[in-house]
Amino acid sequence: DAGVTQSPTHLIKTRGQQVTLRCSPKSGHDTVSWYQQALGQGPQFIFQYYEEEERQRGNFPDRFSGHQFPNYSSELNVNALLLGDSALYLCASRPGQGRTEAFFGQGTRLTVV
Amino acid sequence: AQSVAQPEDQVNVAEGNPLTVKCTYSVSGNPYLFWYVQYPNRGLQFLLKYITGDNLVKGSYGFEAEFNKSQTSFHLKKPSALVSDSALYFCAVRSASYGNNRLAFGKGNQVVVIP
Repeated sequence: DAGVTQSPTHLIKTRGQQVTLRCSPKSGHDTVSWYQQALGQGPQFIFQYYEEEERQRGNFPDRFSGHQFPNYSSELNVNALLLGDSALYLCASRPGQGRTEAFFGQGTRLTVV
Repeated sequence: AQSVAQPEDQVNVAEGNPLTVKCTYSVSGNPYLFWYVQYPNRGLQFLLKYITGDNLVKGSYGFEAEFNKSQTSFHLKKPSALVSDSALYFCAVRSASYGNNRLAFGKGNQVVVIP
């Protein structure tokens, strides 16, 4: 059983560009969340998708947007990239909205130059 | 609001000695508490959780944690540390409100187990 998979693993972009990161949740999981982990920091919640809708959002600007597809996979889009967007982006999935723990992917390392 | 404090940046322990990583939390209502471990250039790996019931929870790789509601703490422990336990450990909390999926993480503790 594959866990949470993310692509690509590494990415280098220029300031002002746009980027799309992808996530396939663990089998049986329908809730997907995205986190940003800056160097030396804990992950920060960006947003969560369930039933193809954004259900919760953290303190991130509108440049950060997402999507969830009918097969529960998800995309994170970031527009007008800033140097400060350089971070490890983590996708997490879990089944439903209850008490279960989240399972994390290996992350996408985004470097903005 | 949800928040976690992990007061120590780094924990050094000799192999075979007990390991403790401290965590205190703040949340409205009842908490769900989690510990994750992160190895270099990897995602987060789940270790254990407290949802309800027994205050002492046991998890993967011999780790356990004790929930203390009065002290709002959830310290991670291992009776005998291994060199392979050297990694970055994160405590996380979310409120038990239905539909809340937002995990708040601490800044992490680097654990170094000395052979």
